[in-house]
Amino acid sequence: EDKVVQSPLSLVVHEGDTVTLNCSYEVTNFRSLLWYKQEKKAPTFLFMLTSSGIEKKSGRLSSILDKKELFSILNITATQTGDSAVYLCAVEIQGAQKLVFGQGTRLTINP
Amino acid sequence: SAVISQKPSRDICQRGTSLTIQCQVDSQVTMMFWYRQQPGQSLTLIATANQGSEATYESGFVIDKFPISRPNLTFSTLTVSNMSPEDSSIYLCSVDDSGYTFGSGTRLTVV
Repeated sequence: EDKVVQSPLSLVVHEGDTVTLNCSYEVTNFRSLLWYKQEKKAPTFLFMLTSSGIEKKSGRLSSILDKKELFSILNITATQTGDSAVYLCAVEIQGAQKLVFGQGTRLTINP
Repeated sequence: SAVISQKPSRDICQRGTSLTIQCQVDSQVTMMFWYRQQPGQSLTLIATANQGSEATYESGFVIDKFPISRPNLTFSTLTVSNMSPEDSSIYLCSVDDSGYTFGSGTRLTVV
């Protein structure tokens, strides 16, 4: 059974801190790994990762994939209260064109 | 990326009734996906909808409960039939546009 596991499930930090969110996976046919930010209902796309070791960066957010160890991390530096959200990791299954989601990490940034 | 208009945004329904959720995409897409997010849970794929053929349902989801229509390449509907309180969830449509864009979501409460 395809499985995506995120840790921690919940994280509370102070504004300005740096956080690292983890995502590990066990799937039959890996195509890509995606990160989303969910504030209310709709997840908004952050990154898609397909190759190991290549960091993707967008402002204070960055992410990297390790296909040998089957995990990815999402880093957020100099956190702001607006970063408070649930961060979802999903793996795209090759051939099935479907996403398998992890449970999400609820990140709370306190001022 | 694609822009998806999803409606209704939210609804409160009586048990035993049905609700149809609509998604309109601003470009033609081959496949559309329907997800459910139960309270406190992550996203689970309900079914994949191709234009001109029957939807493909994931394990645990059946057509009688969640009939889907896909009349053209820009539109799809999901009906939640004979609702019970366990159907209270956020329902999301999605398209694969090199990042899997999501609609704005429908928050359904069944009383």
